[in-house]
Amino acid sequence: EAGVAQSPRYKIIEKRQSVAFWCNPISGHATLYWYQQILGQGPKLLIQFQNNGVVDDSQLPKDRFSAERLKGVDSTLKIQPAKLEDSAVYLCASSLGGAGILDYNEQFFGPGTRLTVL
Amino acid sequence: AQSVSQHNHHVILSEAASLELGCNYSYGGTVNLFWYVQYPGQHLQLLLKYFSGDPLVKGIKGFEAEFIKSKFSFNLRKPSVQWSDTAEYFCAVRFGDMRFGAGTRLTVKP
Repeated sequence: EAGVAQSPRYKIIEKRQSVAFWCNPISGHATLYWYQQILGQGPKLLIQFQNNGVVDDSQLPKDRFSAERLKGVDSTLKIQPAKLEDSAVYLCASSLGGAGILDYNEQFFGPGTRLTVL
Repeated sequence: AQSVSQHNHHVILSEAASLELGCNYSYGGTVNLFWYVQYPGQHLQLLLKYFSGDPLVKGIKGFEAEFIKSKFSFNLRKPSVQWSDTAEYFCAVRFGDMRFGAGTRLTVKP
């Protein structure tokens, strides 16, 4: 079974530039997550999709971050404009489905995209 | 506010030593509990999880964790570590969304 795919693996940009990350979840997984992992910290959830609908985006900085999952499969996360503090690894994860506190499905993580903002 | 705390940032052990990594959370309601591991250069992967039932949960590679509700804790244990257990370990708690601890880096000396 193919895992969660992400690209690019690394990206270096200057502040105020824009950047986009792509995620292809495991086939058949309805739920998709984007996490931000700053060096020395655990992953922090940015946004959760169930199919093509947003379940939770309460921690997404909406003034500069946006995400979409138009056809309920692939997803893109965009930052515009980037700030120095956005330097982090951006992780995508997927699970079979279900949202909320009693979701029994395991989240499978991709390799992440390491973003450096100069 | 809900939070997850991992007590140790970096643990160094010799092979065959016993391991216990602490994890505490702050939330009074129903939670799902997880331990994830990230080996060098690899993805985060699930070690074990607890949803209900027996509070002693066994996972892969000889790891286990015990949920103590009264202490809001979910500590990870392994009786005898190997060099290949060198990795970063993350405790995670699903309150509604998933919250991760800051991680504990484990170094096992051969």
